[in-house]
Amino acid sequence: DAGVTQSPTHLIKTRGQQVTLRCSPKSGHDTVSWYQQALGQGPQFIFQYYEEEERQRGNFPDRFSGHQFPNYSSELNVNALLLGDSALYLCASSLAGSAYNEQFFGPGTRLTVL
Amino acid sequence: GDSVTQMEGPVTLSEEAFLTINCTYTATGYPSLFWYVQYPGEGLQLLLKATKADDKGSNKGFEATYRKETTSFHLEKGSVQVSDSAVYFCALSDRSSNTGKLIFGQGTTLQVKP
Repeated sequence: DAGVTQSPTHLIKTRGQQVTLRCSPKSGHDTVSWYQQALGQGPQFIFQYYEEEERQRGNFPDRFSGHQFPNYSSELNVNALLLGDSALYLCASSLAGSAYNEQFFGPGTRLTVL
Repeated sequence: GDSVTQMEGPVTLSEEAFLTINCTYTATGYPSLFWYVQYPGEGLQLLLKATKADDKGSNKGFEATYRKETTSFHLEKGSVQVSDSAVYFCALSDRSSNTGKLIFGQGTTLQVKP
């Protein structure tokens, strides 16, 4: 049973560029959440996608956007990159309506903005 | 808003020592509580959870009890091993939310020496 997968593993960009990160949920899951984890900090909720719609959003600017595809996979897009966007981006999947909406995390994408 | 506070790290212990990592929370609702562990270079793994007051979550020798009166969820292990070295995150999820969005503490690094 494949768990949550993310690509790429690492990414280096320069300020002002745009980046797209990808996530495939655990088999059987229909919901994808994205988190940003800055160095030495706990993950911060960016947003969640369910039924191809953004269902909830954290305190992140509009430069952060996402998409969910019919196969439940998801993309996170960040425009006009800032140095402060350097972080580990974690994707988590869950099954809507399941007990506690338990979230399963992928290994993350390490984004470095120079 | 809801928040989680963990004890500052790093915590350095000798093998077979007793471990306590303190976690307190603030929530307007009635949260579920979690401990996640992050090994170097990896994503988050759910270690244990508790969904109501006085519940005890346990896994791999780790335990934590949901204390509503003190709004705490301290992590304990009777005898740590070198392989327990990792970063531990306390988190909550508002059960009234349909998304399972997680709010994390800042993490506590545990280093176990042989």
